[in-house]
Amino acid sequence: NAGVMQNPRHLVRRRGQEARLRCSPMKGHSHVYWYRQLPEEGLKFMVYLQKENIIDESGMPKERFSAEFPKEGPSILRIQQVVRGDSAAYFCASSPPVGTQLRDTGELFFGEGSRLTVL
Amino acid sequence: AQSVTQLDSQVPVFEEAPVELRCNYSSSVSVYLFWYVQYPNQGLQLLLKYLSGSTLVKGINGFEAEFNKSQTSFHLRKPSVHISDTAEYFCAVSERAAGNKLTFGGGTRVLVKP
Repeated sequence: NAGVMQNPRHLVRRRGQEARLRCSPMKGHSHVYWYRQLPEEGLKFMVYLQKENIIDESGMPKERFSAEFPKEGPSILRIQQVVRGDSAAYFCASSPPVGTQLRDTGELFFGEGSRLTVL
Repeated sequence: AQSVTQLDSQVPVFEEAPVELRCNYSSSVSVYLFWYVQYPNQGLQLLLKYLSGSTLVKGINGFEAEFNKSQTSFHLRKPSVHISDTAEYFCAVSERAAGNKLTFGGGTRVLVKP
C-alpha cells in the first residue's frame, strides 16, 4: 500500500528557470495539500485541491506559483522564474474523500518532500 | 484564524531523561490537535492526535500528550527518551468545520545526548 509519492526528491534550478514538483496521493485519497518548509522554519500551508478543483489557495504566493490536480495523473506544483528565496522543501499530503471516517479527523498523510535548491 | 505556538525551538535532553514539548494554540472554534515528527531529510509522521474524549492521548514510540482546553495547550511528553528520538516535532491544529487543512507550529528540535 504505497504512501504519498513525491518526485523529484531533489531538484536544482538556476534563477529564472521553472520547477515542477509532482505528487501522487495515497490510493483512495482524493484531496491533496501542498506545504512549504523554508530552512529552519515550520510548514506553511500553500494550497488544497481535489480532482480538477482548487479548494483553498490562500497560502499561495500571488505570482509565479500555480497548482493543479488533473482528473488523471499526479498533482503538480509549478514555480515559474524561480528565485533563490524559493529554495525550500515542498511537502505534499493527502486525505480521503468527504464522508469517510478519516476525512473527519483532519489527519493528513505526508510524502517525503521535494527539496528545491535555486542557484 | 487559528495559530499554533511552540514555545521552545530547541530542547537538548540526555538519554533516558524525560522530555516535554510545549504547544499552545488559538482558535475561535473547536479543533483537532496533532503532533507530527520529522526525522532528518524525511517527511512527517503522525505521532498522535486528539479528536475528542479523554484528554490524555497516547501515541507511537512511547509519546503521550494532554489536551487542556482552558489553557489551550497540547503538550507532548515522553518519560524516557532514546537517541533515536532526535528529530523535529511539530504541533498542528485543524478546525473541525474547515476540512483537513492543518496549521503548524514552528517546530521544536529535540537533540538527545548520550
